[in-house]
Amino acid sequence: DTGVSQDPRHKITKRGQNVTFRCDPISEHNRLYWYRQTLGQGPEFLTYFQNEAQLEKSRLLSDRFSAERPKGSFSTLEIQRTEQGDSAMYLCASSLVGGPGYNEQFFGPGTRLTVL
Amino acid sequence: TQLLEQSPQFLSIQEGENLTVYCNSSSVFSSLQWYRQEPGEGPVLLVTVVTGGEVKKLKRLTFQFGDARKDSSLHITAAQPGDTGLYLCAGAASGTYKYIFGTGTRLKVLA
Repeated sequence: DTGVSQDPRHKITKRGQNVTFRCDPISEHNRLYWYRQTLGQGPEFLTYFQNEAQLEKSRLLSDRFSAERPKGSFSTLEIQRTEQGDSAMYLCASSLVGGPGYNEQFFGPGTRLTVL
Repeated sequence: TQLLEQSPQFLSIQEGENLTVYCNSSSVFSSLQWYRQEPGEGPVLLVTVVTGGEVKKLKRLTFQFGDARKDSSLHITAAQPGDTGLYLCAGAASGTYKYIFGTGTRLKVLA
């Protein structure tokens, strides 16, 4: 089992450019989460999928952010027209479906985005 | 809005000392998780507590979930330099799979 992987690990872009990040969850996990973490803070929830369905989306996710999980396996997070405030670590996590309270998440190493 | 506040925010102690980190909220959570995060890496799950009053032990780490399921604590006995890291609690309210993370406690254990 290779764990959750994210690509790229680092991304530097200029303000106004679009960026896309990929997350490959643990193979049998059907739930996938995206979080954003800024320096010195805990991760902030962005969205989550169960299989290919996007079930919840944070108000933090503006119209410039979109996430997909087309076949219920890997997921992509796209940020359009990046702003300097988007600079952060973007974390992906996956888990098996269980009752509330048993949803143990396994995190990837994150993608660090720097917007110049 | 659900919030999880952790205290202290920063803790620097000598090897061998004991410490306790607190995670508090005014909201009830169906479960609460504790993670440790190293710089430049994703959080790693340490434990999940589900039942009010539950105590779980993981070697030198003891985790407790409050009776009302609104708070939790992490106690480390005889801290070692390898315990250094950012400790995060995360909770999910009943009926939701959206996890709220705490503000984090940055621990440094000096040799």
